[in-house]
Amino acid sequence: DTAVSQTPKYLVTQMGNDKSIKCEQNLGHDTMYWYKQDSKKFLKIMFSYNNKELIINETVPNRFSPKSPDKAHLNLHINSLELGDSAVYFCASSQYSGQGSNTGELFFGEGSRLTVL
Amino acid sequence: AQSVSQHNHHVILSEAASLELGCNYSYGGTVNLFWYVQYPGQHLQLLLKYFSGDPLVKGIKGFEAEFIKSKFSFNLRKPSVQWSDTAEYFCAVISYRGSTLGRLYFGRGTQLTVWP
Repeated sequence: DTAVSQTPKYLVTQMGNDKSIKCEQNLGHDTMYWYKQDSKKFLKIMFSYNNKELIINETVPNRFSPKSPDKAHLNLHINSLELGDSAVYFCASSQYSGQGSNTGELFFGEGSRLTVL
Repeated sequence: AQSVSQHNHHVILSEAASLELGCNYSYGGTVNLFWYVQYPGQHLQLLLKYFSGDPLVKGIKGFEAEFIKSKFSFNLRKPSVQWSDTAEYFCAVISYRGSTLGRLYFGRGTQLTVWP
């Protein structure tokens, strides 16, 4: 009963192709994220959506386009893939809004390893 | 903007040695603090967190961390490491703007290698 699930786990593709990674969370959280982890393990935030609205949009090439059809889903589409896009992409969710015991803790998916040849 | 510094990029220890990983942050207001662990080939999992109360927090697998507000630090400790603790460790900080949570910032990570 996975809390944050991503598909596919592995993706190998040629330069120039277009690919998508899907993410779903069943925690009832209102905020979802995409992070890119490079070969040195550095975690870089790419996008964040709160209740389907884009709230964080870091300096990411416009070949990357997130889509949130509802607050439980956040997909990532990448056009014209380049060698430098090879990385592990992590989806995460958290409860961001409201008062009380929300602490900002992120719950991560298992990652999608993208290899561009 | 906030920053989170993890000073040790790679730590190598023998089993049973004691561990302390440093984490400092730059924000002066109210913060919540986290340590995440990423075992080889896996995703990030929460090790422990601090958001109020006792500044010494205990997490899973014998880890603990101490929040020292005056030093803007949240160092991770374990008295005796095991080979299975080999992993990447990330410190993360989220600040409050009034009563609203801000954005979570991660440190660059520390790779811990434990030799059996």
